[in-house]
Amino acid sequence: ETGVTQTPRHLVMGMTNKKSLKCEQHLGHNAMYWYKQSAKKPLELMFVYNFKEQTENNSVPSRFSPECPNSSHLFLHLHTLQPEDSALYLCASSLRRETAYEQYFGPGTRLTVT
Amino acid sequence: GESVGLHLPTLSVQEGDNSIINCAYSNSASDYFIWYKQESGKGPQFIIDIRSNMDKRQGQRVTVLLNKTVKHLSLQIAATQPGDSAVYFCAEKWISNFGNEKLTFGTGTRLTIIP
Repeated sequence: ETGVTQTPRHLVMGMTNKKSLKCEQHLGHNAMYWYKQSAKKPLELMFVYNFKEQTENNSVPSRFSPECPNSSHLFLHLHTLQPEDSALYLCASSLRRETAYEQYFGPGTRLTVT
Repeated sequence: GESVGLHLPTLSVQEGDNSIINCAYSNSASDYFIWYKQESGKGPQFIIDIRSNMDKRQGQRVTVLLNKTVKHLSLQIAATQPGDSAVYFCAEKWISNFGNEKLTFGTGTRLTIIP
């Protein structure tokens, strides 16, 4: 295991639902990341947090709302999603933002929007 | 924008044979490259990396080759095993205009080891 856990592993939600994805890292890292992985597309960086502060938002729609209460936990709150949002959502962490090249990934949450 | 791509989306190799997975990158300013392995149901796992001042780096059964002249990266896996079946993708590190470190990922090649 990489030391990064994600829950739930699978999620099916309707377009009017509100749900949250959770990520927890046990590595003592200070930077955390959310990625979207769609079929046949490269990993897309969504958000970056460094020492609990959001340092990057890659033009992600507002229906995705991240939250980082401390350096060990990262949430992705979802509301009024679209079917095209169905994907694998990966969380990662690194020691700090400056060591983004050394990221450890969680197993991901497979999200299906119906 | 800059992109990282893979020549082949799928690759099948007989168990015990060697495999080569290729990656083309376009950002000549990238100074660090990483290969990841992603097994079904799991997140990407670091395999091996190489800095731009190197041409070759070897690990256990894996070798990464970097050809900066043609902006090409390859991953060689020796004596493949069933556990090597996975999606492999490369990533390049570069610095944005704002001074931030960026990682750009390739699409991935699915490697299947035939018993």
